[in-house]
Amino acid sequence: EAGVVQSPRYKIIEKKQPVAFWCNPISGHNTLYWYLQNLGQGPELLIRYENEEAVDDSQLPKDRFSAERLKGVDSTLKIQPAELGDSAVYLCASSLGGGGWYEQFFGPGTRLTVL
Amino acid sequence: QKEVEQNSGPLSVPEGAIASLNCTYSDRGSQSFFWYRQYSGKSPELIMSIYSNGDKEDGRFTAQLNKASQYVSLLIRDSQPSDSATYLCAVSPMNRDDKIIFGKGTRLHILP
Repeated sequence: EAGVVQSPRYKIIEKKQPVAFWCNPISGHNTLYWYLQNLGQGPELLIRYENEEAVDDSQLPKDRFSAERLKGVDSTLKIQPAELGDSAVYLCASSLGGGGWYEQFFGPGTRLTVL
Repeated sequence: QKEVEQNSGPLSVPEGAIASLNCTYSDRGSQSFFWYRQYSGKSPELIMSIYSNGDKEDGRFTAQLNKASQYVSLLIRDSQPSDSATYLCAVSPMNRDDKIIFGKGTRLHILP
């Protein structure tokens, strides 16, 4: 069974530029999560989707971040414009069901560097 | 503020010994508990989940849960150098709509 797929794996951009990350969850997983992980920290939730509905986006900085999961399968996370402080690893995860009760499986992540 | 606390380490353990990783959490109503292993530069990998008090064993790994003490631990028997990684504890709340909370992780170093 294929795991969570993310692309790109690495991205280097200059500040104020836009950037987008893509995620394809494990087949059959209805719930998709985007996390941000800084060095030495645990992952922090940015947004959670149940099918195509964003059910928890309270931690998403909506002035510059946006996300979509139009057909309830793959998802895109966008930052526009990027700031220096956005340098981090962006992780996508998926689970069979929602909330925190189900096991979550992570993709390889995208390491973003903003110069 | 719901919190999950872990000692950041590094925890150094001789090869072949038992490594013991500990985690405490603040939300007494927490329902599900997970341990992830994260190698440097890689993403977290789920290694154990536990939902009820007591021990759960899977190969060389044993998860222990004590909800009364709000404490969950991970034991790694016969530690190998390949076990050297950061171990993240994750706790989910009583409300299934609430998000899972991750600790900052404990760095484990197995000494050859």
